[in-house]
Amino acid sequence: EVQLQESGPGLVKPSQSLSLTCSVTGYSITSNYWGWIRKFPGNKMEWMGYISYSGSTSYNPSLKSRISITRDTSKNQFFLQLNSVTTEDTATYYCARLWRRDYFDYWGQGVMVTVSS
Amino acid sequence: EIVLTQSPTTMAASPGEKVTLTCRASSSVSYMYWYQQKSGTSPKLWIYDTSKLASGVPNRFSGSGSGTSYSLTISSMETEDTATYYCQQGRSYPPTFGAGTKLELK
Repeated sequence: EVQLQESGPGLVKPSQSLSLTCSVTGYSITSNYWGWIRKFPGNKMEWMGYISYSGSTSYNPSLKSRISITRDTSKNQFFLQLNSVTTEDTATYYCARLWRRDYFDYWGQGVMVTVSS
Repeated sequence: EIVLTQSPTTMAASPGEKVTLTCRASSSVSYMYWYQQKSGTSPKLWIYDTSKLASGVPNRFSGSGSGTSYSLTISSMETEDTATYYCQQGRSYPPTFGAGTKLELK
């Protein structure tokens, strides 16, 4: 069974970088697409970006200058880095498998990240 | 980007009642996807390719629609269906989500 698990700090200071790891078991990240989604307080959900089976990436234009998604295929993990965070980046962050680049069929449990000094 | 508008924002249904949730897109989309999220858990894929039920989804659920108008229907509301339901489009990048419909038990 495909399982994903996010990990990373729950508190980040404004202007710093947010870094999260998604560990995948049961499926190789060298197949398909792997994405990050966040859910803000108030329930709005935003797709942040993905990394493909080949290592290519695609990002939401709203984040393009601040986001980076990378991977370590030897550990079957992929990573999110979001730079210059503000309080508006406070959200629950999910990693998920993106099937056919269309929809998210497996999700991690989510990690709540608060941006605060 | 395509904006998805879900209605209603919140609704309450009695056990056995038929429920219809709507998702309207600002431009035509090829398919719609639906997720169920219960409090404290991650979203679960519920319906894909507009009308196909994800694994384990009861057949009282159905999806339909085309172009800019899509819907999720529950033929007979059950207690376990209380959750927030989100629609999502993926063919027009960036993928976008609706704001969700919170479905409660009356």
